[in-house]
Amino acid sequence: EAGVVQSPRYKIIEKKQPVAFWCNPISGHNTLYWYLQNLGQGPELLIRYENEEAVDDSQLPKDRFSAERLKGVDSTLKIQPAELGDSAVYLCASSLAGQGAQNIQYFGAGTRLSVL
Amino acid sequence: QKEVEQNSGPLSVPEGAIASLNCTYSDRGSQSFFWYRQYSGKSPELIMFIYSNGDKEDGRFTAQLNKASQYVSLLIRDSQPSDSATYLCAVRGGTDKLIFGTGTRLQVFP
Repeated sequence: EAGVVQSPRYKIIEKKQPVAFWCNPISGHNTLYWYLQNLGQGPELLIRYENEEAVDDSQLPKDRFSAERLKGVDSTLKIQPAELGDSAVYLCASSLAGQGAQNIQYFGAGTRLSVL
Repeated sequence: QKEVEQNSGPLSVPEGAIASLNCTYSDRGSQSFFWYRQYSGKSPELIMFIYSNGDKEDGRFTAQLNKASQYVSLLIRDSQPSDSATYLCAVRGGTDKLIFGTGTRLQVFP
């Protein structure tokens, strides 16, 4: 079974440019997460989707970040315009909903963003 | 106070020894606890999860949970150089959000 697929793996852009990341979750997983991981830190949640609905986006900087999950499967995270401080790894994860405490998240390989 | 705290390390142990990784958390309502392993430049990979007080063993790994002390640990027996990685403790609290610690870097030397 394929895992969580993310693309691109690496992205280098200049500041003020837009950038987008794509995620395809594990088949059948209706919960999808986007995390930000800075060097030497643990992942921090940006947004969580249950199917198409964003149920927790409290940590998403909405002035420059946006996300969508059309049809409840693939998701795209966008930054516009990018700032130097956005350089980090963006991780996507997915899980089965409705499992309560047994909800286990599986991570994709991540996209490493460098903003110059 | 951080919600999930780990010593950043590095924790250096010789091959064959027991590595002990520790994590404390602040939310007493936390229900489930996870240990992820992350190799440099790679994504987090689930190693163990535990929900009940006590020990849970899986191969060379043992997770220990003490909710009264708000403490969870991971023991790795017969440590191998391939175990060298960063180990992330993650806690799911009352908000259902998974909160990660900063991770402990483990180095196993031959």
